[in-house]
Amino acid sequence: DVKVTQSSRYLVKRTGEKVFLECVQDMDHENMFWYRQDPGLGLRLIYFSYDVKMKEKGDIPEGYSVSREKKERFSLILESASTNQTSMYLCASRPPWGAITDTQYFGPGTRLTVL
Amino acid sequence: GENVEQHPSTLSVQEGDSAVIKCTYSDSASNYFPWYKQELGKGPQLIIDIRSNVGEKKDQRIAVTLNKTAKHFSLHITETQPEDSAVYFCAASTSGGGADGLTFGKGTHLIIQP
Repeated sequence: DVKVTQSSRYLVKRTGEKVFLECVQDMDHENMFWYRQDPGLGLRLIYFSYDVKMKEKGDIPEGYSVSREKKERFSLILESASTNQTSMYLCASRPPWGAITDTQYFGPGTRLTVL
Repeated sequence: GENVEQHPSTLSVQEGDSAVIKCTYSDSASNYFPWYKQELGKGPQLIIDIRSNVGEKKDQRIAVTLNKTAKHFSLHITETQPEDSAVYFCAASTSGGGADGLTFGKGTHLIIQP
């Protein structure tokens, strides 16, 4: 089974802090994603990466950056956390192009609270 | 880009009854439609998916139907049980269309009444 792990289940940070959310997948997937999930808004794509050192903006990239130095690891960075970034953050990975499925496999999520 | 609408936002059914969640999509090029279940405190998990060359797919108590002409697809859960209570998300994508893949609906909170 695909396993996607996230470094923390719960985080509490203060406004202005730099925050790192880590995600690791064990299935050698090229594609990795970061979403945030808010009540009534569903899942919104922040950034994705289709290869090491490659990144693409999603629908709501403002206030975030990402890093992909190794294939299995995709990090989301909040350079200066703000209260409106309080949310559930979900990481996902997906098999490479040409695979028989487009299914994304999700991690358990990190609930971030910014005070 | 793709837009996925999901209804209803909340659905309450009696245990043992059936539940139906409906989604519509806008991009006629979409050809892959997965459904995810998210339990409290967990990430979404795939429960069933369908490709555009198939009109219906079934797995035990759950089934998905697809109408490409009308651009809508539905999740059907029969003989509902308490453990079916969760938030369900539909999604659509164009296979091979890029790494950004899936567009999600906003979710349906399914409540199974004992």
